[in-house]
Amino acid sequence: GEDVEQSLFLSVREGDSSVINCTYTDSSSTYLYWYKQEPGAGLQLLTYIFSNMDMKQDQRLTVLLNKKDKHLSLRIADTQTGDSAIYFCAESNGQTGANNLFFGTGTRLTVIP
Amino acid sequence: DTAVSQTPKYLVTQMGNDKSIKCEQNLGHDTMYWYKQDSKKFLKIMFSYNNKELIINETVPNRFSPKSPDKAHLNLHINSLELGDSAVYFCASSPGLAGKGGELFFGEGSRLTVL
Repeated sequence: GEDVEQSLFLSVREGDSSVINCTYTDSSSTYLYWYKQEPGAGLQLLTYIFSNMDMKQDQRLTVLLNKKDKHLSLRIADTQTGDSAIYFCAESNGQTGANNLFFGTGTRLTVIP
Repeated sequence: DTAVSQTPKYLVTQMGNDKSIKCEQNLGHDTMYWYKQDSKKFLKIMFSYNNKELIINETVPNRFSPKSPDKAHLNLHINSLELGDSAVYFCASSPGLAGKGGELFFGEGSRLTVL
């Protein structure tokens, strides 16, 4: 099956940049996603990238994809205390009829004031 | 207006009991899911329904039985609960195929504790 790996914890100071990394094994991954889970809540989609792109920027968020190394990263600029949450990387291979996302283990981001 | 709502939010029960978790979405989505999140926050899909038809059925004990009476509802019934079933169960929905760039909309989760 597909494996999606992330480091479990990351701490940064408020105002610094955070970089959350993810590696995956499925070479036919077509879509890669970042979801955010705040305490006591469900996951919310932050952004996604199609595999033919290597970068996507959306305000403070920058997603970088290295398809050759199967590595995805999420950079959060000017990290705020409200960014403290668990961030999940996920991938799918977009096959017809496929409706499944494989999630990583999640990275708990702690922002220190 | 809550988009994906699950009940109950918390459920504490004894081993061997049978329990149900209900999920409703008012987004008009065709596809609904159940995910299980264990104590280490690992999130794994259990089932997916598209227009009331089961389309994903991962390796889950047959004590777990989903039921979709209509495309806005997906309930999860669990028989003979075991300690290892303790987890947070998330319902989600998507307008199309989540695996093709579609967004998953999650409920707030139902925390099940089996004693």
